Amino acid sequence: AQSVTQPDIHITVSEGASLELRCNYSYGATPYLFWYVQSPGQGLQLLLKYFSGDTLVQGIKGFEAEFKRSQSSFNLRKPSVHWSDAAEYFCAVGALGQNFVFGPGTRLSVLP
Amino acid sequence: DTAVSQTPKYLVTQMGNDKSIKCEQNLGHDTMYWYKQDSKKFLKIMFSYNNKELIINETVPNRFSPKSPDKAHLNLHINSLELGDSAVYFCASRSGRGDGYTFGSGTRLTVV
Repeated sequence: AQSVTQPDIHITVSEGASLELRCNYSYGATPYLFWYVQSPGQGLQLLLKYFSGDTLVQGIKGFEAEFKRSQSSFNLRKPSVHWSDAAEYFCAVGALGQNFVFGPGTRLSVLP
Repeated sequence: DTAVSQTPKYLVTQMGNDKSIKCEQNLGHDTMYWYKQDSKKFLKIMFSYNNKELIINETVPNRFSPKSPDKAHLNLHINSLELGDSAVYFCASRSGRGDGYTFGSGTRLTVV
């Protein structure tokens, strides 16, 4: 069965510090992988996606993620966090024609 | 132009009432979804519609019924509302190419 885990429920970083949010998945086939961000009171916005090819993908707002098949991971990174990055982040796995499975989310707080 | 729009944004109602949430997408996407986000931010799929045919129906109470008058609309009707139905409901759509979901901004339903 498909599943997604995000081991960190809540992460706090200082503004300007680097960030890494972890995502691990279990999927029977080659997955499509996604990261979404949800700001307070808002819907989910797609940050980036991985289908195939280069395992390091670039997204919006300066985020990137790396797909590591051997570790079944798709971790999200940002070299320097801004206060506006404070939000809930969701990792999701799916495939063409298949329903997405979302992780439980990681809440990011940013200290001034 | 809003890609996926939901109305209303907030809905407060009494137990036992019947209510509807409307969703429209102008992206020409093939599939539309309804997700429920609980107080812990966990996202659970409720329904999806592809070309006006229900293709996924997770274990939700039959008090919930999706209605799709055309490819661009997927409304959610809820009968006999219960306290446990209080949540944020998200509409989403997806193209057939396997791209990520595009989400609406959500409807916060509060049952009192």
